[in-house]
Amino acid sequence: EVQLVESGGGLVQPGGSLRLSCAASGFTFSNYWMSWVRQAPGKGLEWVANIKPDGSEKNYVDSVKGRFTISRDNAEMSLYLQMNSLKAEDTAVYYCARRIVSIRSFDYWGQGTLVTVSS
Amino acid sequence: DIVMTQTPLSSPVTLGQPASISCRSSQSLVHSDGNTYLSWLQQRPGQPPRLLIYKISNRFSGVPDRFSGSGAGTDFTLKISRVEAEDVGVYYCMEATQFPGTFGGGTKVEIK
Repeated sequence: EVQLVESGGGLVQPGGSLRLSCAASGFTFSNYWMSWVRQAPGKGLEWVANIKPDGSEKNYVDSVKGRFTISRDNAEMSLYLQMNSLKAEDTAVYYCARRIVSIRSFDYWGQGTLVTVSS
Repeated sequence: DIVMTQTPLSSPVTLGQPASISCRSSQSLVHSDGNTYLSWLQQRPGQPPRLLIYKISNRFSGVPDRFSGSGAGTDFTLKISRVEAEDVGVYYCMEATQFPGTFGGGTKVEIK
C-alpha cells in the first residue's frame, strides 16, 4: 500500500525557517517524481515544487523561488522541503504527493502538515 | 499562465440525484503530444485530495463508475450520476498541459 507521511510543520515567526519531511513506503520511491502542494486555510490547492526521481531536476512556483528548496533521499525513501525566509502567506497545509509523468497528475497524497507563519 | 475557472462555486444536490461541475481553461489544454492533461480531484472534509479522473475521462483505480469526465479543448465536465453521502466535498480540476500545472478554484458539493 502506498503511504506518504508528512512531518515537520508548526508555528514559526516571519523570516524563520522550517524543514518538512515526507516518508514514503509501499512503492519504489526512486522511480517517481515527487511534489509538494499546499493549501492555505479555507483556500484551494497550489503546486509548490517538483523533483525528478534522481534529484537532478527541481522546479518551483515563482512565489517560493530562492526561499524554498526541495530535495530527496532515495535510500531513505524521503522527500524534504526546506523553507527559509518564511512569510505569512506561506501559511498552509503542505501535502507531499506522488506525480505520475504519463498522466501528469498526482495519484497519491499524504495527510499533510500545517505550517503557520505568525508573530 | 493558464487560468482554470470552475462553476458553480457550490452545488447543493439531493441524494440519488446527478451533479455536474464545469471547468473552463483560458487556453486549449491539448498538448503537442496529442494528449489533454486534465484531471479531477476530490477533497472530502478534513482529508487530502484524491485523484478521481485523469486525461479528461479516465477513472483512477478504485473510483466508482458513477463518476465520469468529459470535454475537449477548453471545456470540461465532471458528472456524478447519483450523488451519495460520501461524495460531499470540494472538487478540483487541474491542468498539467503546461508544466507543472494549475488547479481550478474548486466546487463544493453538498447535500440539500
